[in-house]
Amino acid sequence: QKEVEQNSGPLSVPEGAIASLNCTYSDRGSQSFFWYRQYSGKSPELIMFIYSNGDKEDGRFTAQLNKASQYVSLLIRDSQPSDSATYLCAVKESGNTGKLIFGQGTTLQVKP
Amino acid sequence: KAGVTQTPRYLIKTRGQQVTLSCSPISGHRSVSWYQQTPGQGLQFLFEYFSETQRNKGNFPGRFSGRQFSNSRSEMNVSTLELGDSALYLCASSLEGGSQYFGPGTRLTVL
Repeated sequence: QKEVEQNSGPLSVPEGAIASLNCTYSDRGSQSFFWYRQYSGKSPELIMFIYSNGDKEDGRFTAQLNKASQYVSLLIRDSQPSDSATYLCAVKESGNTGKLIFGQGTTLQVKP
Repeated sequence: KAGVTQTPRYLIKTRGQQVTLSCSPISGHRSVSWYQQTPGQGLQFLFEYFSETQRNKGNFPGRFSGRQFSNSRSEMNVSTLELGDSALYLCASSLEGGSQYFGPGTRLTVL
């Protein structure tokens, strides 16, 4: 059973701080990794994707991938109260498939 | 570009009934995937369609089925509804091999 693990939180950070969200996965053959943000009552919104080892930056967001350790992370700099949401880590299953395997999500609370 | 649309947005059914949900992908996207989201199980993959062919299926009973039309629109059907089928059903579209973008979902309640 291929799995994606996330700490459910809540992770609470003060406004302006860096929020660090982590995810581990079991499928060694996975090549594509995604972070989705989901506000309460809404559907998931894609915020980052990463395919190569290392860091990928987009505005206040940085995704980090370490395939050897099977570890993906998301850093949110200068956190804002509007960042308060559940962050879902998703891993595309290896092989010719579009199947995403999701973690349970980490709830982030940014306190003003 | 318009996003993924799903209809209906909310649905209330009783046990034993069947339901059909519809998804229209982003223009140009030919891949459509369906997911079920519940508080206990999280987001779970149902199936994936590309060019009217089911390419992948998740671990759900045969009561869950789907199809894709030549215009890439997709439908999923759940027959003989059970209480445990109450969930948010999400459709996502993508270019082949690309990132998946979700629609707003259909909230199904089974009484």
